[in-house]
Amino acid sequence: GQSLEQPSEVTAVEGAIVQINCTYQTSGFYGLSWYQQHDGGAPTFLSYNALDGLEETGRFSSFLSRSDSYGYLLLQELQMKDSASYFCAVRDSSYKLIFGSGTRLLVRP
Amino acid sequence: EAGVTQFPSHSVIEKGQTVTLRCDPISGHDNLYWYRRVMGKEIKFLLHFVKESKQDESGMPNNRFLAERTGGTYSTLKVQPAELEDSGVYFCASSQETLYEQYFGPGTRLTVT
Repeated sequence: GQSLEQPSEVTAVEGAIVQINCTYQTSGFYGLSWYQQHDGGAPTFLSYNALDGLEETGRFSSFLSRSDSYGYLLLQELQMKDSASYFCAVRDSSYKLIFGSGTRLLVRP
Repeated sequence: EAGVTQFPSHSVIEKGQTVTLRCDPISGHDNLYWYRRVMGKEIKFLLHFVKESKQDESGMPNNRFLAERTGGTYSTLKVQPAELEDSGVYFCASSQETLYEQYFGPGTRLTVT
């Protein structure tokens, strides 16, 4: 079957760094994406890794290791507005996104 | 540039009734996807249109669900008759090319009572 595993909840302090891990097992792989979703809102695209390594976009970075079927999202200089759910998603061989169950990030002052 | 829009934002219907959800993708995006999130579980793929053609409908739960995209612009997802387990948030997403990032709409929260 196809599955993605990520922690259900993470708590961190404002200004800190947090890493959200994602391991996957899918039929075919065309890249790992990360989405942010605030309660009641649309999932918002954050980053995409097709090749191994680190991609940096401002305070957010995403890493991929295809040999380990593993990736992570790194959030630096956490702000209160970063409190949200974060989903990893793999694009499989038929190009659809397979999502993890999401990680709820709570940023505390 | 306007984002993906969905209508209605909320819908409450009784079991056995029919509901039609609408999605307007970003202008120029040939690829349109429907996803569903049920009871806080993961977001699950339903189907994928390329223009007006169904590219992949492997995620459609059963024949009570019918999706259309006449003319290759907006899409509708009809549930008939609705069952309790159909409750959830239905998301639509669009992308310019198949391998480009998908942009999601705000979703339609469907409650079947």
